[in-house]
Amino acid sequence: ETGVTQTPRHLVMGMTNKKSLKCEQHLGHNAMYWYKQSAKKPLELMFVYNFKEQTENNSVPSRFSPECPNSSHLFLHLHTLQPEDSALYLCASSQEQGASYEQFFGPGTRLTVL
Amino acid sequence: GQNIDQPTEMTATEGAIVQINCTYQTSGFNGLFWYQQHAGEAPTFLSYNVLDGLEEKGRFSSFLSRSKGYSYLLLKELQMKDSASYLCAVKDSNYQLIWGAGTKLIIKP
Repeated sequence: ETGVTQTPRHLVMGMTNKKSLKCEQHLGHNAMYWYKQSAKKPLELMFVYNFKEQTENNSVPSRFSPECPNSSHLFLHLHTLQPEDSALYLCASSQEQGASYEQFFGPGTRLTVL
Repeated sequence: GQNIDQPTEMTATEGAIVQINCTYQTSGFNGLFWYQQHAGEAPTFLSYNVLDGLEEKGRFSSFLSRSKGYSYLLLKELQMKDSASYLCAVKDSNYQLIWGAGTKLIIKP
C-alpha cells in the first residue's frame, strides 16, 4: 500500500449505531487530519494530530471522537449521528503541521446516516 | 471571519486556456495551495505559492498577489482529463488550511 488509505469506502448507518472510520498513511508523516466534505461547501477541518498529539478540535460535536494511536494511524469513532452528518470524510497527512507542507489525502469514506 | 472566494463553475473548450481566480481574507498568511479533485476521488496537490509572482509547472501555472489577496490557477492546452474541481486553500497564522468551496471546471470537446 502506498499513500493514504481509508476504510471503509462507503458506510451506511442508523442514528443509534456505533462505527469507526480508519485511516492509515504510509508516507512517514507526523501530522494527520480529519476533514468533512459536503456538496458545494468548503472542506471543514475537524481534527488535527501533530506527532500524535491533538492540536485542533474545530468545535466538532462530541458524537465524533478521534483517536491517534501512532503517527501512521488515525480513527474517527462515530456514535448517535444525525442525518446532517452524511458527507464524505477525508483523511489527510503531511510531514508536519507547518507552513509549506502539502497535505496528501486518502480517497475518503462516503457516510450516509439514515 | 476568514473567507476564500472562487467561482462555482466554469466551462472551457479542449485545447484552450482557462484562468480560475481565488480571493481570500484570512487572519495571517502562510501560503496558498491549489488542489485538483476529480469526482469521487481525493484532492491532489497542484501548487504552492508563498511569495508574489507566477509559478509554472508544465501546463499549470499559479499566480499570487499578497497585497491584493488574490491568486489564480492558469491551465493551458486543456485536456478532457482536466475536468475536475479545483480547490483554493490558504494557510492562516495558525497554520490551518482555510478552504474555498471549489470551482468545477467542465471541458467541452
